[in-house]
Amino acid sequence: DQQVKQNSPSLSVQEGRISILNCDYTNSMFDYFLWYKKYPAEGPTFLISISSIKDKNEDGRFTVFLNKSAKHLSLHIVPSQPGDSAVYFCAASGASYDKVIFGPGTSLSVIP
Amino acid sequence: NAGVMQNPRHLVRRRGQEARLRCSPMKGHSHVYWYRQLPEEGLKFMVYLQKENIIDESGMPKERFSAEFPKEGPSILRIQQVVRGDSAAYFCASSQGTGRLSGTEAFFGQGTRLTVV
Repeated sequence: DQQVKQNSPSLSVQEGRISILNCDYTNSMFDYFLWYKKYPAEGPTFLISISSIKDKNEDGRFTVFLNKSAKHLSLHIVPSQPGDSAVYFCAASGASYDKVIFGPGTSLSVIP
Repeated sequence: NAGVMQNPRHLVRRRGQEARLRCSPMKGHSHVYWYRQLPEEGLKFMVYLQKENIIDESGMPKERFSAEFPKEGPSILRIQQVVRGDSAAYFCASSQGTGRLSGTEAFFGQGTRLTVV
């Protein structure tokens, strides 16, 4: 049973445009959400997070939106750059659910 | 994140041998997570440990796999009698385990790529 879902295995975006990566979760105990970026042959790198008390968190070109009622979050990258090409993992955890659960990832390709 | 050290980076084992993967968490981190990434798949949770305690091993296969995080030294993921299906990238992550809402996140090592021949 996949508790964190990323239904798009891949996404291609033109350089300079917006990239939107989506994530859905099923466990209502989750109250903290993270996005990780992973290049081939490297470990995942933390990108941005959001707690359930917020609906938006912004860090430079990266913004994460959380819709608790829909159990949905999204990562927006604006403007997209070729260096953003990587696999993006959505992850979730909870105060009473301390392990971090990852989605299957979305492979983003930013085309110059 | 370079702060979480995993070794070896690459490990080749023959079927039936044992594989030992080591993970040294970031300084000050007392929580360790192990994940496995099979080819063309995402990260699958295996086990969550604190010092000298296994907190959650719900993602560990019932046989041949074990993990420990002793009071001193690195966390060890041990796979006995490896089979070809164990070939994967194994990632370790560490966190402080507290203050997540303040922005403490799990930081990953670069992984150990296990190949069973």
